[in-house]
Amino acid sequence: DAGVIQSPRHEVTEMGQEVTLRCKPISGHNSLFWYRQTMMRGLELLIYFNNNVPIDDSGMPEDRFSAKMPNASFSTLKIQPSEPRDSAVYFCASSLDQWNTGELFFGEGSRLTVL
Amino acid sequence: AQKVTQAQTEISVVEKEDVTLDCVYETRDTTYYLFWYKQPPSGELVFLIRRNSFDEQNEISGRYSWNFQKSTSSFNFTITASQVVDSAVYFCALSGSGNTGKLIFGQGTTLQVKP
Repeated sequence: DAGVIQSPRHEVTEMGQEVTLRCKPISGHNSLFWYRQTMMRGLELLIYFNNNVPIDDSGMPEDRFSAKMPNASFSTLKIQPSEPRDSAVYFCASSLDQWNTGELFFGEGSRLTVL
Repeated sequence: AQKVTQAQTEISVVEKEDVTLDCVYETRDTTYYLFWYKQPPSGELVFLIRRNSFDEQNEISGRYSWNFQKSTSSFNFTITASQVVDSAVYFCALSGSGNTGKLIFGQGTTLQVKP
């Protein structure tokens, strides 16, 4: 069975450019989460969706970050304009639903480097 | 506020040794969930176990065991007879009642098992 699929796996861009990260959750999962991992801050939740609706975006750093989930099988995380401090590994995860056991299935991550 | 502390940044053991990874948490919720995730060198996070605050029974799964003690707010993870394949970063995480997907992660413990 396919797991959570993220793209791109690696992205190198210059400051000021727009970055779009993509995620395909596991089929049948109703909740989707975007996490960010950095050395300084560790793993932190940015936003999560349930049934394609954003439920909690309190972790989104600032207005430069936006996330969408137009349908049950696709989500994007966009950074515009990007800054060097956005460099991190961005993980997408899905679960059966937000009230589930907390067993999140993570993708392999998108490693973003902003020069 | 919720917080997870993994005081051990790095642990190095020789294969077949037992190793315990410590996790201490803080929460004001009476209902909460605790988790352990593994992050192998390939980068993805893999769910290992979930425990709810009302279930203090220790759990064993093969070479893995978990010791949950509410009295000390700890949820420690022991690997018996460690193997090289156990080398990874291990994260302890906490979520409050109502949303088990919004995980608060500890900083992680890097385990290196040498042959």
